[in-house]
Amino acid sequence: DIQMTQSPSSLSASVGDRVTITCQASQDISNYLNWYQQKPGKAPKLLIYDASNLETGVPSRFSGSGSGTDFTFTISSLQPEDIATYYCQQYDNLPPTFGQGTKLEIK
Amino acid sequence: QVQLQESGPGLVKPSETLSLTCAVSGYSISSGYYWGWIRQPPGKGLEWIGSIYHSGSTYYNPSLKSRVTISVDTSKNQFSLKLSSVTAADTAVYYCARDRDGFATSFDIWGQGTMVTVSS
Repeated sequence: DIQMTQSPSSLSASVGDRVTITCQASQDISNYLNWYQQKPGKAPKLLIYDASNLETGVPSRFSGSGSGTDFTFTISSLQPEDIATYYCQQYDNLPPTFGQGTKLEIK
Repeated sequence: QVQLQESGPGLVKPSETLSLTCAVSGYSISSGYYWGWIRQPPGKGLEWIGSIYHSGSTYYNPSLKSRVTISVDTSKNQFSLKLSSVTAADTAVYYCARDRDGFATSFDIWGQGTMVTVSS
């Protein structure tokens, strides 16, 4: 299985801050990477697919980049409603695997 | 719009079989897409269990393959999960989801999830 490693595991930031989360794959996955947002008690929500494509209806402050083994997820200006845990997920190889998550909190 | 809803027992005894169903509304499973199951143990991350196509083709996570069966009932517009010989390690929130871009790719629509506890 491909291992997905996210960093940091947790992050505290202020409203309006630029927030960056990284995800590293244990082998080349091209751009077959998704990012999900999960709020407490809720199902995950797909935000970005194919590493950099914004899902319909997702605010433009969210973005993704990268290819190969190294990927970045960015929130350009943190909003209070962005408090959640974020997961990356690869689907280059079966089984699809998720990162361990990054818990984002408001400072 | 497309909605998914999981149902099934919230408590299963060790060594027994966990059975869940995902009812799909707003879209006919027979029309296409793949459909999957993902689980999340309390306080932990996400694990893909398996996915199925409306034809019945399946793919399972090798780590669970010997215990998992996913089936589809197009007449009821639903798909199901069976996980046998459960232990406490199978305690988790179980989600069903639409697997949008192919087999085990992007999960774009999710059910609300159902908590299943394995305990005697």
